[in-house]
Amino acid sequence: DGGITQSPKYLFRKEGQNVTLSCEQNLNHDAMYWYRQDPGQGLRLIYYSQIVNDFQKGDIAEGYSVSREKKESFPLTVTSAQKNPTAFYLCASKKRGGGHEQFFGPGTRLTVL
Amino acid sequence: AQTVTQSQPEMSVQEAETVTLSCTYDTSESDYYLFWYKQPPSRQMILVIRQEAYKQQNATENRFSVNFQKAAKSFSLKISDSQLGDAAMYFCAYRYSVISNFGNEKLTFGTGTRLTIIP
Repeated sequence: DGGITQSPKYLFRKEGQNVTLSCEQNLNHDAMYWYRQDPGQGLRLIYYSQIVNDFQKGDIAEGYSVSREKKESFPLTVTSAQKNPTAFYLCASKKRGGGHEQFFGPGTRLTVL
Repeated sequence: AQTVTQSQPEMSVQEAETVTLSCTYDTSESDYYLFWYKQPPSRQMILVIRQEAYKQQNATENRFSVNFQKAAKSFSLKISDSQLGDAAMYFCAYRYSVISNFGNEKLTFGTGTRLTIIP
């Protein structure tokens, strides 16, 4: 079955540590996205990538980094520079082209201890 | 910059009744897409319905329909015959249509409306 997987489902991090969230898709989608969700704020775009080896900052990229070495994978690293990293993180992917929707993964809940 | 506003943080409806969720947006573009996403307690985002701005006809998907008013920049979602499984957060989202430049395919979300279904 095609879809998007995110791992782990829950992640705990000590302050000052970097942590990497995984996002994999087998839908053959070109574009991939990372969103952050906080209570009462909806989803905000962190980074996105339209093709392999290229990515762009979204609205709240500070303290985060990404890579896109393979079409199927778009990992997100939350660095120690991110001041308030506790949140729910959603990955999405999409075919290139105007009429296509974004499909979302099940998300990762990150908690900083 | 585009913005999406959902002014109803919470709504409730009796089972089998009809409810309308409001969404307004701001854009200077004439060609774009609008979406309603549902996020149940599992937190999986699910597309409910979408509307292309160039289409005058309102989109419908079974019990879900929209009222798209382009001049007023309004995009409301009507849920008919509400069911217990409709209980969720509902997010309105906007996306620019032209794909000639990379970066125009990102979604801008509203803050969501939590819908409760009363048995």
